[in-house]
Amino acid sequence: GQNIDQPTEMTATEGAIVQINCTYQTSGFNGLFWYQQHAGEAPTFLSYNVLDGLEEKGRFSSFLSRSKGYSYLLLKELQMKDSASYLCASMDSNYQLIWGAGTKLIIKP
Amino acid sequence: DVKVTQSSRYLVKRTGEKVFLECVQDMDHENMFWYRQDPGLGLRLIYFSYDVKMKEKGDIPEGYSVSREKKERFSLILESASTNQTSMYLCASGISGDVSEAFFGQGTRLTVV
Repeated sequence: GQNIDQPTEMTATEGAIVQINCTYQTSGFNGLFWYQQHAGEAPTFLSYNVLDGLEEKGRFSSFLSRSKGYSYLLLKELQMKDSASYLCASMDSNYQLIWGAGTKLIIKP
Repeated sequence: DVKVTQSSRYLVKRTGEKVFLECVQDMDHENMFWYRQDPGLGLRLIYFSYDVKMKEKGDIPEGYSVSREKKERFSLILESASTNQTSMYLCASGISGDVSEAFFGQGTRLTVV
């Protein structure tokens, strides 16, 4: 079956670094997405990885290892506005997105 | 900016009512999707469409139907609303052949009483 696993909730301190992990198992693979979703709002695109390695985009970086079925989202210099849910999604061989349940990130001052 | 607009932000309907959720996108995207999002679960695909008048079932199509008469508009229909369809409904659109991202509407929180 197809499955995406990510932690339910994480807590971090303002100014610190946090890593949100995601493991995936899908029928075929056409890339791994990370989305951010603030409470009551729509998800917004953060990153897309299809090749192994680290992609850096400002304070946010995303890593992919296809052989391990593993990705992480790294957030640096955390700000209070980073409090949100972070959704991991894998695109399968039919180009359909399979979504994880999301990781709620709580930032404390 | 790509805009995906859902007709209602909040909706309360009675059991047995027929419910229409409308979604419009302004970027000429071929692909449009309807998801529902429930606490503790990932987004679940209800239906999607790759072209006008074309529709495909997603993972949880039971109790729903869709309509895509125009490229920019994708409607989700609950034929006879039930309490277990109380959820957040998200519409998304994207470009066929470009798998880089999907653009989401603001969501419709539907409560069936």
